[in-house]
Amino acid sequence: GIQVEQSPPDLILQEGANSTLRCNFSDSVNNLQWFHQNPWGQLINLFYIPSGTKQNGRLSATTVATERYSLLYISSSQTTDSGVYFCAVAAPSGGYNKLIFGAGTRLAVHP
Amino acid sequence: DAGVIQSPRHEVTEMGQEVTLRCKPISGHNSLFWYRQTMMRGLELLIYFNNNVPIDDSGMPEDRFSAKMPNASFSTLKIQPSEPRDSAVYFCASSLSVPKNYEQYFGPGTRLTVT
Repeated sequence: GIQVEQSPPDLILQEGANSTLRCNFSDSVNNLQWFHQNPWGQLINLFYIPSGTKQNGRLSATTVATERYSLLYISSSQTTDSGVYFCAVAAPSGGYNKLIFGAGTRLAVHP
Repeated sequence: DAGVIQSPRHEVTEMGQEVTLRCKPISGHNSLFWYRQTMMRGLELLIYFNNNVPIDDSGMPEDRFSAKMPNASFSTLKIQPSEPRDSAVYFCASSLSVPKNYEQYFGPGTRLTVT
């Protein structure tokens, strides 16, 4: 099946710093989502981005489907950005719905 | 609009007992998913339904696990009998599943502890 690798596994930032999280996948995909799991365990949708670029406030994401990677950019980080960021993909062989999750990037933002 | 609703939020039970987790998807969504999150295995899909019909249950770990979706607004995941290794957070998610819009939205999860 499709493999999803996220990097880095852990990231520590000072408040105000910028960061880039990466998601590599091993096959073509027809669905890609970025989630933030906050310290209370809630999975929050950040982006639905099987291809292209999107921005939402301080966050933006880019997926280059032909090269099998996606990037999540966090600018001017805040302590509330702390948590785990997951990339999840679905491959055509599994339909559009069978999301496979990466192991996540654990982010800690210190004041 | 209310998001995905799950109940209970926390469940503590003894080994051998039956456990039933409940989910109400977002109104109008036609696909529903059950996921499990553990430290060892991360987030993994157990089963999903499309228009109330189970489509893929290949992630269901054992026959002790069963899921039903009797109507478009309700689903259950049942574990009988429960075992300590079933301890995990169980998430329900739903999506609209129309062309170019397969975004899944997750509920708050049920934290299950089997002692």
